[in-house]
Amino acid sequence: EAGVAQSPRYKIIEKRQSVAFWCNPISGHATLYWYQQILGQGPKLLIQFQNNGVVDDSQLPKDRFSAERLKGVDSTLKIQPAKLEDSAVYLCASSSNWAGGPKETQYFGPGTRLLVL
Amino acid sequence: AQKITQTQPGMFVQEKEAVTLDCTYDTSDQSYGLFWYKQPSSGEMIFLIYQGSYDEQNATEGRYSLNFQKARKSANLVISASQLGDSAMYFCAMRGTDSWGKLQFGAGTQVVVTP
Repeated sequence: EAGVAQSPRYKIIEKRQSVAFWCNPISGHATLYWYQQILGQGPKLLIQFQNNGVVDDSQLPKDRFSAERLKGVDSTLKIQPAKLEDSAVYLCASSSNWAGGPKETQYFGPGTRLLVL
Repeated sequence: AQKITQTQPGMFVQEKEAVTLDCTYDTSDQSYGLFWYKQPSSGEMIFLIYQGSYDEQNATEGRYSLNFQKARKSANLVISASQLGDSAMYFCAMRGTDSWGKLQFGAGTQVVVTP
């Protein structure tokens, strides 16, 4: 079974530029998560989708970050314009169904390392 | 609000020895799940082991075991017979029933296994 796919793996941009990350979850997984992991910290949830609807985006900086999952499968996370503090690893994860209870396991992709200069 | 605390920023362990990684948590949820993930330098978060709050037995998965002490709100990971490939960051995470699925992560512990 294929895991969570993400691209690109690395991205370097200058501040005020825009950038987009792509994620394809495990086949059949209804729930998709985007996390931001700043160096030296644990991942922090940015946004969670159930199929093509947003479940939780309370920690997404909506003035510059946006995300979509139009067909309920793959997803795109965009930053526009980027700031220096957006330098981080952006991790995508998926699970079969968030409502599956506390045991519902999230599986992560390899992440995209973003450096904003 | 949920909180995960990992107090060990880094640890050295010799090959073939066991190592215990500490994790304490705080939650008002009655039902919750505790997870451990491994993150090698490549960046991917690899799921290791799960413990449910109502599970009576400590979870085990191969060389990984979880020392769950509910009253003390701790969920320590034990890696037995360490291997060089175990060198990585290890994160403890929690998921509550009212958090819409998101995992709350600790700051992680860096483990270096030496020959």
